[in-house]
Amino acid sequence: AQRVTQPEKLLSVFKGAPVELKCNYSYSGSPELFWYVQYSRQRLQLLLRHISRESIKGFTADLNKGETSFHLKKPFAQEEDSAMYYCALTLHGSSNTGKLIFGQGTTLQVKP
Amino acid sequence: EAGVTQFPSHSVIEKGQTVTLRCDPISGHDNLYWYRRVMGKEIKFLLHFVKESKQDESGMPNNRFLAERTGGTYSTLKVQPAELEDSGVYFCASSQDSVLVGAYNEQFFGPGTRLTVL
Repeated sequence: AQRVTQPEKLLSVFKGAPVELKCNYSYSGSPELFWYVQYSRQRLQLLLRHISRESIKGFTADLNKGETSFHLKKPFAQEEDSAMYYCALTLHGSSNTGKLIFGQGTTLQVKP
Repeated sequence: EAGVTQFPSHSVIEKGQTVTLRCDPISGHDNLYWYRRVMGKEIKFLLHFVKESKQDESGMPNNRFLAERTGGTYSTLKVQPAELEDSGVYFCASSQDSVLVGAYNEQFFGPGTRLTVL
């Protein structure tokens, strides 16, 4: 069965420090991986997806198929990055109905 | 465009009662998804509509949950009778239909309905 694991429930860093939010997945096929973010009092929103290979708000994530990981990184954390981050995958191909499989989420706390 | 809307934002009911949650997707979005986050656990998929048809309901926990999307517009999720373990936040999301088979279109989430069963 497909599974997404985020080992850290809480990650606390100081402003300006590097950030890495870990995500590992298990899936025998070829998934699409995403990071979703939920800021305080806002709705869940897409941050980035591995296919687009872009940097959003300074965040990047590289899909490592060998390690089945999709860690989210940012070189210098900002206070406004404080939020709950969810790693998610969806199936790729004709069996894709679009449903997302989420990890448990990691709360990122950036201290001043 | 208001985005995906959900009603109510909060609901507190007693065990055994019935509750109906509503989701209005973004206009023109054929895909509608329901998810649930039980406290301390991950957000879990419940079901997926394409227009008015249930495409995938593999995540529905049991037959106390009934989802409908009459006319392919808004959707309702009814829990009857509610149990304590049904407490959580229920999210709805919508996306456009994909031109390419198997392609993923971004899902836009509603604010969620927080359900508390006492």
